[in-house]
Amino acid sequence: KAGVTQTPRYLIKTRGQQVTLSCSPISGHRSVSWYQQTPGQGLQFLFEYFSETQRNKGNFPGRFSGRQFSNSRSEMNVSTLELGDSALYLCASSRTRGLAHYEQYFGPGTRLTVT
Amino acid sequence: GQQLNQSPQSMFIQEGEDVSMNCTSSSIFNTWLWYKQDPGEGPVLLIALYKAGELTSNGRLTAQFGITRKDSFLNISASIPSDVGIYFCAGQPDTGNQFYFGTGTSLTVIP
Repeated sequence: KAGVTQTPRYLIKTRGQQVTLSCSPISGHRSVSWYQQTPGQGLQFLFEYFSETQRNKGNFPGRFSGRQFSNSRSEMNVSTLELGDSALYLCASSRTRGLAHYEQYFGPGTRLTVT
Repeated sequence: GQQLNQSPQSMFIQEGEDVSMNCTSSSIFNTWLWYKQDPGEGPVLLIALYKAGELTSNGRLTAQFGITRKDSFLNISASIPSDVGIYFCAGQPDTGNQFYFGTGTSLTVIP
């Protein structure tokens, strides 16, 4: 089975621009979660999508948004980029049991650098 | 949100030594996961635990779901240089539907 894939792997953007990152989950996984990882803050939960609906959300500003398509692929968008948005953005997919999750599998991440 | 305390923060060990690390939470969890992350890559799932008291092995790695359901432990036996990396725990609380992560244990293995 193919793992979680994320594109692009690396991205350099300028302050004020916007960016869209893509994630394809493991086949059969309907839940996709997004995380931001920085050296200072560790892994921070952004949001989770399940069946094209945002089911859970972390404490990030509205500049961070996402969506999920009918094939469970997901995108996240960051508008009006700030220097502090530079981070490794990770996507994880999982099977679910009700609202809870079985194990989560991560993609390789997208390294975003904002200059 | 939930706080996961992971310790130690870093470890420097000689090749061949055994390693132990642990995670504790303030709430009861129904799932514990252990991951290893190499620089610039995504975390790789090592072991998943679903039941209090459960002991699960994956090669030289052994993890346990604490009986209080508020902690978990990871042991690595006979460490080798490729064990170098950052190890994360993650837990899912009974009352929640997301995973919370520890701050990581950085492992250095000296040949």
